[in-house]
Amino acid sequence: EIVLTQSPDILSLSPGERAILSCRASQSIRSSYLGWYQQKLGQAPRLLIYGASSRATGIPDRFSGSGSGTDFTLTISRLEPEDFAVYYCQQFGSSPRYSFGQGTKVEIK
Amino acid sequence: EVQLLESGGGLVQPGGSLRLSCAASGFTFTSHALSWVRQAPGKGLEWVSTVTDGGGATYYTDSVKGRFTLSRDNSKSTLYLQMNSLRVEDTAVYYCVRHCGSNWYNFDYWGQGSLVTVSS
Repeated sequence: EIVLTQSPDILSLSPGERAILSCRASQSIRSSYLGWYQQKLGQAPRLLIYGASSRATGIPDRFSGSGSGTDFTLTISRLEPEDFAVYYCQQFGSSPRYSFGQGTKVEIK
Repeated sequence: EVQLLESGGGLVQPGGSLRLSCAASGFTFTSHALSWVRQAPGKGLEWVSTVTDGGGATYYTDSVKGRFTLSRDNSKSTLYLQMNSLRVEDTAVYYCVRHCGSNWYNFDYWGQGSLVTVSS
């Protein structure tokens, strides 16, 4: 079973700053299997990125995804007030089964 | 507009049963795999179960195998999750999710969730 580990657990930044979130897989995965989600307090998660680097419908271009193999990154180029939330990476595995990272909370500094 | 509306959650005693429903609208129901993802209070996301677009195959996380049954009624555009032998650790918000149309690797739409509380 592939385990996803996100870092850091908490990222404290100010609006306008760049956020870089990491997701590391315990073994290599296909880029097409990797997604990123945003969850605001009290809301359902929302798909941001699929296939490691493709933005979902309606997602602003300040969100970008990159990476391959075991290391993937979500970058928010300039944080807007509405971007402070918890972010999860997710992968598709064989069988099939799906797993999520433990989440990174982006909080206001 | 894609909508996924869950219902059926509530309070149940350990060992009891509940059936969650997810009414879908705004898209071609038979073109997408569907899943349930749950989130225990204050915790992260956990995949529970998936059914293929035609309903011919279902998949479960190990902790619910033999206790939960996933099905879909394509004529009603509705997804069901029958949950039996419920345990305290099944307490969570259960989200109905749609898989991306171009693949089934990620989840592109989520319902607002239905809270299931298992407690005596």
